[in-house]
Amino acid sequence: GENVGLHLPTLSVQEGDNSIINCAYSNSASDYFIWYKQESGKGPQFIIDIRSNMDKRQGQRVTVLLNKTVKHLSLQIAATQPGDSAVYFCAVLDNYGQNFVFGPGTRLSVLP
Amino acid sequence: IAGITQAPTSQILAAGRRMTLRCTQDMRHNAMYWYRQDLGLGLRLIHYSNTAGTTGKGEVPDGYSVSRANTDDFPLTLASAVPSQTSVYFCASRRLAGADTQYFGPGTRLTVL
Repeated sequence: GENVGLHLPTLSVQEGDNSIINCAYSNSASDYFIWYKQESGKGPQFIIDIRSNMDKRQGQRVTVLLNKTVKHLSLQIAATQPGDSAVYFCAVLDNYGQNFVFGPGTRLSVLP
Repeated sequence: IAGITQAPTSQILAAGRRMTLRCTQDMRHNAMYWYRQDLGLGLRLIHYSNTAGTTGKGEVPDGYSVSRANTDDFPLTLASAVPSQTSVYFCASRRLAGADTQYFGPGTRLTVL
């Protein structure tokens, strides 16, 4: 089965700096990945996704990088703002292409 | 468009009681899911349904049952609640099973005493 992990459970950054949150997965056949943001007391919110035929995808202030060689996924947030404070986790489509496996999450704290 | 709604928002339940968590989506998504989220364990899949009339077991299905009578609704039932089922429950849906974006509801916080 798929195993998904994050390198750091917590991350603190200064407001205005860039943030990088990492995720590792185990199944080289995984072909679809999502990053979610979860604020306290709320459901996970879709941020950005990427398919395995791409290695980079950009959204508004966010970039997802996919390195299939080392099975690594990262989320970059540019000019981090206080509203970015949340738990971020990646979701990887399992090797059957049916259900997602979720990482445990990284809590991002933005310091003033 | 509301997206995904869940009810109740929170509930305190005595052990042994029966409880149904409700989930409704208005996006006409084919696939729906129930997850539980526990501190340190992340999101774990309980049951899923790829289309109306079909259901499947996820990673942690014991003690839970689901039904999918129509496209919009996907209730989760705890037949006889136990304290280990204290958790936050999230319903999710996506248009198609497979490589498609999955969206989540706001969650139900359940405490079993």
